[in-house]
Amino acid sequence: GAVVSQHPSWVICKSGTSVKIECRSLDFQATTMFWYRQFPKQSLMLMATSNEGSKATYEQGVEKDKFLINHASLTLSTLTVTSAHPEDSSFYICSASQGLAGDEQYFGPGTRLTVT
Amino acid sequence: QKEVEQNSGPLSVPEGAIASLNCTYSDRGSQSFFWYRQYSGKSPELIMFIYSNGDKEDGRFTAQLNKASQYVSLLIRDSQPSDSATYLCAVNPTGNQFYFGTGTSLTVIP
Repeated sequence: GAVVSQHPSWVICKSGTSVKIECRSLDFQATTMFWYRQFPKQSLMLMATSNEGSKATYEQGVEKDKFLINHASLTLSTLTVTSAHPEDSSFYICSASQGLAGDEQYFGPGTRLTVT
Repeated sequence: QKEVEQNSGPLSVPEGAIASLNCTYSDRGSQSFFWYRQYSGKSPELIMFIYSNGDKEDGRFTAQLNKASQYVSLLIRDSQPSDSATYLCAVNPTGNQFYFGTGTSLTVIP
């Protein structure tokens, strides 16, 4: 149980275009989903936390107009990188939680984004 | 002060030895603690969680929690080369909050 999928697993796009990444909890209802970014050989960086039906809470320094997060249902959250630039190239990972105190996060396999 | 602190390593141990990974946290009210393993180029996977003071064993892994000292550790017995990865400590103070450490890189030398 507790499987989280991400799609696509990798994507290459041109500078200035937008990319949408989907995160799905396959066998449980994810009240809360988290989006992380990880650059090579660096630690996970939390970008935002989203609760189903609510606006996402962004971490300091993360541009909410550039990284659009939608958590429209209990099993799906999307991250759209708008007007992508090469510096946005990174490994984007989502995770999901039932949102209960003490509940663990389950991570998706990640999406590797390369902006050319 | 960071919420969760780990030594970044790298930590190297010979095959068959015990690897000890340590983590401290700042929120004294934290109730839930997790260890994740992340292989290079992959996303983290949960390997242990612990809620109560003391030890919790699962196969070759033992998590140890000391809430008075705000300290949680992970011991890996009979370390194998396949255990070489980055280990992330995570603390869940309340429902939707998670704080991750920066991770400790472990290398098990054959």
